[in-house]
Amino acid sequence: NAGVMQNPRHLVRRRGQEARLRCSPMKGHSHVYWYRQLPEEGLKFMVYLQKENIIDESGMPKERFSAEFPKEGPSILRIQQVVRGDSAAYFCASSPVLAGVYNEQFFGPGTRLTVL
Amino acid sequence: GDSVTQMEGPVTLSEEACLTINCTYTATGYPSLFWYVQYPGEGLQLLLKATKADDKGSNKGFEATYRKETTSFHLEKGSVQVSDSAVYFCALSETNDYKLSFGAGTTVTVRA
Repeated sequence: NAGVMQNPRHLVRRRGQEARLRCSPMKGHSHVYWYRQLPEEGLKFMVYLQKENIIDESGMPKERFSAEFPKEGPSILRIQQVVRGDSAAYFCASSPVLAGVYNEQFFGPGTRLTVL
Repeated sequence: GDSVTQMEGPVTLSEEACLTINCTYTATGYPSLFWYVQYPGEGLQLLLKATKADDKGSNKGFEATYRKETTSFHLEKGSVQVSDSAVYFCALSETNDYKLSFGAGTTVTVRA
């Protein structure tokens, strides 16, 4: 059973461009979580999605960031008009049921975004 | 808000040495505490966890005890191997919440 897949692993964008980060959850997992790790900081929760629904986007910046998890295909984190401060590692996690202390969420290897 | 502070790295050790990575936290309630490990090229994996005060989590020779009085959850291993080389993350979540808050990670390198 393949783990959580993220691509690309490294992404370079110039200021003002769009970044699209993809996350394929583990087979049978319908819950997806995105986290961001800024330089020298810990991972911070951004958004929680189920198929075709955003459940909790309390950690996502209001401007320029959006996320989706369509019925078919991977979850996408989209950042429009990127700025240097968006440079970070973006991690995706998935779980078969709602994650909690007794239900583990499984993480992908992350996408490292660099904005020039 | 909740936060986790862990020992800065990088840490370099010789095989069979003792490892301790310090982790302290601030939280409004009674959080659950976790250690995750990220091996090169892989995703973060849950290493161990503790859900209440004085609980000890253990796995693969690693241990950590939930200390409410010192708000700490230090990771320890008595004898490390080269295969323990990885980045270690301390994390917490409020009671049964899916949102995890992580420390910045500590890179550990074990030399043969």
